This record gives sequence, C-alpha cells and structure tokens, in this order.
Amino acid sequence: AQSVTQLGSHVSVSEGALVLLRCNYSSSVPPYLFWYVQYPNQGLQLLLKYTTGATLVKGINGFEAEFKKSETSFHLTKPSAHMSDAAEYFCAVSTSNTGNQFYFGTGTSLTVIP
Amino acid sequence: DAGVIQSPRHEVTEMGQEVTLRCKPISGHDYLFWYRQTMMRGLELLIYFNNNVPIDDSGMPEDRFSAKMPNASFSTLKIQPSEPRDSAVYFCASSSWTHYNEQFFGPGTRLTVL
Repeated sequence: AQSVTQLGSHVSVSEGALVLLRCNYSSSVPPYLFWYVQYPNQGLQLLLKYTTGATLVKGINGFEAEFKKSETSFHLTKPSAHMSDAAEYFCAVSTSNTGNQFYFGTGTSLTVIP
Repeated sequence: DAGVIQSPRHEVTEMGQEVTLRCKPISGHDYLFWYRQTMMRGLELLIYFNNNVPIDDSGMPEDRFSAKMPNASFSTLKIQPSEPRDSAVYFCASSSWTHYNEQFFGPGTRLTVL
C-alpha cells in the first residue's frame, strides 16, 4: 500500500531563509511523486513532480525536490523564502498500479515572517 | 484549455436541502476525482471514476452522498439531505495516464450548510 508522511504540520521561516518541507513515502513499486501548493481560498496547483529520470526536479516559483529512493523521501526546498510562498503544501504519491489514485499527505502550512 | 470547471463556487443552503455540485473535467482526461477538504479532516478522497465508471467510492461518508458521471465531460456530487457537518470545500480533479497521473484540480465549491 502507498502512503505519505509530511513531518511538521506548520513551518515558519524568515523571508530570505531556506525553505525545507519534508515528505516521506511508502510504496511497494516505483512511485510517482508530487508537490502541490494551495493558496488561501484556492484549489491545489502543481508545484513539481517526479516520474522517471533525473531525481532532482525543479518546479515553479524556484522550488525543487529530490527523490531519494534509499531514504524514501521527496523533500521540497527553496533557497530563499518570499512572502508570497506562504501557503499550504501537500505531498502526494501515485503508482502505475493504483488507478491514478493519489495518496496525499496531511499538508504543511508555511508561514513566512518578514 | 479551460482547466477543470466547478460550479457553483459557493453554495449556502439550509439543513435538509438537496445540494448538487457540478464538475467538468479537462477534455481527454479519463479519470475524475471528488475530494472534500475541512480543517478537521484535511483532504479526503470521496470517490473516483475511470471512463465514467465509479471505481472506488469507499470514501463517501454515507448514503446521503451520491456521485454520477453520465458522460466524459460532466460529473455531479449530490448530498441529500444536507447537514451542517457537510460544510466543507469540495474539489473535483481530473487526470490521464499520459500525464503520469498528475491530477488537475478545479477551484472548488465552498459549501455552507446552516
């Protein structure tokens, strides 16, 4: 079975500081991994995804994530936080044998302190 | 492409009334998902369809909830009778194998049951 764990339901960083949001997954087959962002009163928007190939994935707004199979992790990072990054972030896993179903983490709320 | 379209964007109703939420997936997508998001329970998968056929409805909370997909371009989620605890944001998403299962979310319907 597939599952996702996001460590830290709330993360606060200062503007300009490194953003690190943690995601660990469980999957018995090669996973597809996703990070979504949800701004207040909006739907979920794809930040980036890992399917195959290069394990370091770059997404929109300067975010990137690295797939580490040995650690079953897919942590999201951004070198320098901006006020506009304040949002809810969701990690999700899917596999080729789960009928396109996603398994979402519980989300991490990012606060950026000016 | 217009993306996933949901209507209405906001719905306020009284307890006991029937509520119908609507979704138009992205053209060509063969999977459609209904989610519910609340502060208490986070993002929950209610049901999903493949080629208009319901595949997994184990997330539907109770018999008051029903979902249909009469054709590839339209789906409804109905609550009858509605209760205050059904107040939430309901999201529709669609996906296709050609996008490695990436789900595209609609803007959501904010339901308030008084």
